[in-house]
Amino acid sequence: DAGVTQSPTHLIKTRGQQVTLRCSPKSGHDTVSWYQQALGQGPQFIFQYYEEEERQRGNFPDRFSGHQFPNYSSELNVNALLLGDSALYLCASSSLRGQGEINQPQHFGDGTRLSIL
Amino acid sequence: AQKITQTQPGMFVQEKEAVTLDCTYDTSDPSYGLFWYKQPSSGEMIFLIYQGSYDQQNATEGRYSLNFQKARKSANLVISASQLGDSAMYFCAMRERSGGSYIPTFGRGTSLIVHP
Repeated sequence: DAGVTQSPTHLIKTRGQQVTLRCSPKSGHDTVSWYQQALGQGPQFIFQYYEEEERQRGNFPDRFSGHQFPNYSSELNVNALLLGDSALYLCASSSLRGQGEINQPQHFGDGTRLSIL
Repeated sequence: AQKITQTQPGMFVQEKEAVTLDCTYDTSDPSYGLFWYKQPSSGEMIFLIYQGSYDQQNATEGRYSLNFQKARKSANLVISASQLGDSAMYFCAMRERSGGSYIPTFGRGTSLIVHP
């Protein structure tokens, strides 16, 4: 049973560039959330996708956008990269199908470490 | 105000001893969930234990237990019989209702080092 997989594992970009990160959820999960984790901090919620739509969004600018595909996989896109976007980007999946949300633990991938030069 | 506060940036414990990692939270919602995650140096966040706001008993999962004190808004993680592999960052998180969905908020984490 494959868990959450993210690609790539590491990425180096320069300021002003654009980046796309990818995530495949755990088998049986239909919801994907993205987090940004700066060094020495806890994860910060970016947004969540369910049924191919953005369901909830955290306090991140419009430079951060996403997409969910019919197979539940997801992409995170960041435009006009800034030095401050350097972080570990975590994808987490869970299932909303017929279950209460509040007690559903999220399953995380290993993350993509993004460095901006 | 911080929704999740973890006051211990770092903790040290001897192998086989018990350790308590502190977490306090802030919410006015009567319905919420509390989670603890472990993050090794590899980066993956590993779910450890969950406590619901209406649960009457403290949650336990193997060597992990959650000391839930609702009136004090405290949800401390207790790890019994520490092992070298327990060395990692530990994050407390809370889920409360926000705009129709439950969005989790994480604390800043506690670094645990287990000495042989």
